[in-house]
Amino acid sequence: GENVEQHPSTLSVQEGDSAVIKCTYSDSASNYFPWYKQELGKRPQLIIDIRSNVGEKKDQRIAVTLNKTAKHFSLHITETQPEDSAVYFCAASKAPGPRRSGGGADGLTFGKGTHLIIQP
Amino acid sequence: GAGVSQSPSNKVTEKGKDVELRCDPISGHTALYWYRQSLGQGLEFLIYFQGNSAPDKSGLPSDRFSAERTGGSVSTLTIQRTQQEDSAVYLCASSLGTQETQYFGPGTRLLVL
Repeated sequence: GENVEQHPSTLSVQEGDSAVIKCTYSDSASNYFPWYKQELGKRPQLIIDIRSNVGEKKDQRIAVTLNKTAKHFSLHITETQPEDSAVYFCAASKAPGPRRSGGGADGLTFGKGTHLIIQP
Repeated sequence: GAGVSQSPSNKVTEKGKDVELRCDPISGHTALYWYRQSLGQGLEFLIYFQGNSAPDKSGLPSDRFSAERTGGSVSTLTIQRTQQEDSAVYLCASSLGTQETQYFGPGTRLLVL
């Protein structure tokens, strides 16, 4: 099955600096890569996702890049703010994409998370 | 509109007892997923439903775990003869289809004494 590795486990940056979190995956058939943010005691919330037909996607201060050949993808947060402090999870799955014969889609395989700390 | 809801929010039980966790997906979402998150850990996939059927049960840790979904809506995850290692937060997510963004519920925090 799929295996997702995430680094670093903890990242501390000064407010206003950039933060980069990296993930690798093992299953070349994976084609959907979401990133979730989880604040303490709260549910994970999607912040951005990317599909395998694009190499980069940006939404304001957040961007994600995907290298299919190397099977790795990264989250970039620029101009970090205190409210960016949280645990960030990357994930991979074979969905979305054309429905495979037999139907269905795998659940998300998550990395172990990165605790991002924004220092004031 | 209303998001994914789960009940109970917290559950304390004794080792060996059965527990039932409930998930109400977003209205109209046909796909439903169960995950488990242990303290300070990532999310572990358990099972997925498309409508009422579960094409992927590969993540269930043991035969003590089962899940069902009726009417293409509410799902229940049942853990029989609970063990202390079952203590975790059980998260449910739903998506519009099998190939769409998953939205998570608040989770059920299970503690097995």
